[in-house]
Amino acid sequence: GESVGLHLPTLSVQEGDNSIINCAYSNSASDYFIWYKQESGKGPQFIIDIRSNMDKRQGQRVTVLLNKTVKHLSLQIAATQPGDSAVYFCADYSSGGSYIPTFGRGTSLIVHP
Amino acid sequence: KAGVTQTPRYLIKTRGQQVTLSCSPISGHRSVSWYQQTPGQGLQFLFEYFSETQRNKGNFPGRFSGRQFSNSRSEMNVSTLELGDSALYLCASSPGQGARIGMTYEQYFGPGTRLTVT
Repeated sequence: GESVGLHLPTLSVQEGDNSIINCAYSNSASDYFIWYKQESGKGPQFIIDIRSNMDKRQGQRVTVLLNKTVKHLSLQIAATQPGDSAVYFCADYSSGGSYIPTFGRGTSLIVHP
Repeated sequence: KAGVTQTPRYLIKTRGQQVTLSCSPISGHRSVSWYQQTPGQGLQFLFEYFSETQRNKGNFPGRFSGRQFSNSRSEMNVSTLELGDSALYLCASSPGQGARIGMTYEQYFGPGTRLTVT
């Protein structure tokens, strides 16, 4: 993921809306990607992952889309609920050298009842 | 099954001191990773241990070190603390296959240790 500055971008939605959270990564050698959710005062929680041989993967109410051409990842959350309010960030793993994660800065999702 | 536990949860240290943080992984998990999270730099990988061996290391100075014991419990140490080391230090455990194997690499994070250096 890329560093995008000190302040997290914020996405504010109404309960029941669909949410789309974006992430750009910089390493063209990245071949594994994970989305995490982090609630206030807690550690990150795994949501969904995708490998570079796929461009879409679906989970329960979540879908991850991968566009390797523009090095972009998105997380779609269907029927967003107040419990989805958290910071969401992506991690990418590069196949070159040590296989360690690089994290995006995150997006704060606020869901209004 | 109990989750990942980290001790202490909060810590205040003075510049120049050293600190040791502890992590107990989920029972049966053999891999433990450490991360630093700050408002300025976000989440950054420190190192990963598997079966008492450091498997990967992030781009941090040698003041940051760690180890893993035979029961998979892990400690990280920061020597000669600097103000910039103030951060939330997160530990995560996984069964141990690693992200490279081609399987889902699901790590389970602890709540973190909040370190403040004054």
